[in-house]
Amino acid sequence: DIQMTQSPSSLSASVGDKVTVTCRASQDISHYLAWFQQKPGEAPKSLVYAASTLQSGAPSRFSGGGSGTDFTLTITNLQPEDSATYYCQQYTRYPYTFGQGTKLEI
Amino acid sequence: QVQLQPSGPGLVRPSQALSLTCAISGDSVSSDSAAWNWIRQSPSRGLEWLGRTFYRSKWFSDYAPSLKSRITINPDTSKNQFSLHLNSVTPDDTAVYYCVREGTGSKGYYGMDVWGQGTTVTVSS
Repeated sequence: DIQMTQSPSSLSASVGDKVTVTCRASQDISHYLAWFQQKPGEAPKSLVYAASTLQSGAPSRFSGGGSGTDFTLTITNLQPEDSATYYCQQYTRYPYTFGQGTKLEI
Repeated sequence: QVQLQPSGPGLVRPSQALSLTCAISGDSVSSDSAAWNWIRQSPSRGLEWLGRTFYRSKWFSDYAPSLKSRITINPDTSKNQFSLHLNSVTPDDTAVYYCVREGTGSKGYYGMDVWGQGTTVTVSS
């Protein structure tokens, strides 16, 4: 299985800040990488797919980048509602696998 | 607006089978631009993809290798839903189970864009 490793596991930031979450794949996954946001008690919500394509309805302050094995999710102008756990996921090979999550506290 | 509604028992005895269904509204289980997934989440395993089914002139299913001997995901076109069947469950199968639409087909890939509400399944005697 392809292992997905996120860093940091948690971070704290303030309203208006810019933060970056990193995801590393154990092998080359090209651009087959998605990011999700999950709030307590809710299902994950799609933010980005194909490494950098913003999902319809996702705020433009979210952006994804990277290819191969190293990827980033950047959130600019942090808002209180961005407090959540963020997950990356590869979908180049079965089984699809997820990172362990990054908990963002605002 | 596409919505997914899971249903099934919240408690399953060890060694028994876990069965969940996911009713689809606003889309078709036979769509040629979607795949229908099951994903579960537990504190010990995190988010875990279980498998999916999709229709491209015929039905296909893909499963996580770790579960391949125990899992079946089937479409039900008459009710526009799909199901998860997991045999011989143990307490390790206790999790929140999600049904998820994956937008994919000849027109492109759109990610896992629609998630049903999670349904908690506990495996315990």
